Amino acid sequence: RKEVEQDPGPFNVPEGATVAFNCTYSNSASQSFFWYRQDCRKEPKLLMSVYSSGNEDGRFTAQLNRASQYISLLIRDSKLSDSATYLCVVNNPGGYNKLIFGAGTRLAVHP
Amino acid sequence: GAVVSQHPSRVICKSGTSVKIECRSLDFQATTMFWYRQFPKQSLMLMATSNEGSKATYEQGVEKDKFLINHASLTLSTLTVTSAHPEDSSFYICSARVGAGVNEKLFFGSGTQLSVL
Repeated sequence: RKEVEQDPGPFNVPEGATVAFNCTYSNSASQSFFWYRQDCRKEPKLLMSVYSSGNEDGRFTAQLNRASQYISLLIRDSKLSDSATYLCVVNNPGGYNKLIFGAGTRLAVHP
Repeated sequence: GAVVSQHPSRVICKSGTSVKIECRSLDFQATTMFWYRQFPKQSLMLMATSNEGSKATYEQGVEKDKFLINHASLTLSTLTVTSAHPEDSSFYICSARVGAGVNEKLFFGSGTQLSVL
């Protein structure tokens, strides 16, 4: 089983749509969770951290379910500029507390 | 936010040559830097964790003699791909960790696209 699993997509949605991405992780000891955004052949950029109580940043809402080891990202009112790959990232608390990246979910927003 | 400068952004080289990639933290000190490799349509795969003043920790399956990492100062880490071969062609990217726990953030360099002919 992969440490972090995501649906690769692509998700093709029209502007204004609401889209949700899911992610599962295997290490129950993980404590830090993030969503990153990556454009083609560019470096990943932090979209938001994911807190236990869930958190919202504008059109983006992240949720964490520790019991199910599941993280979600909801994007409301999709914009063309939201088109990118969204990476679910989870820490592995052993050793250097490294971050493990999911393979990403591709989103394509069309007019 | 913190800035990590990585260069070169693109390298094309002949098989058998060595390539050095530099990663600098410009406005902060990075005790720990990470090196990743990403093949097309795949995830970032952690290659090694680099700590200033000590030997790097390599992930399973990554050859430490082929991918030499040096982190001699708090602002510079280098990755040298020795005797590069076409299968080493990939997107290499570094990151520096700032903070810890829920406040932990990774700041990435802009990546290096390596093409080995």
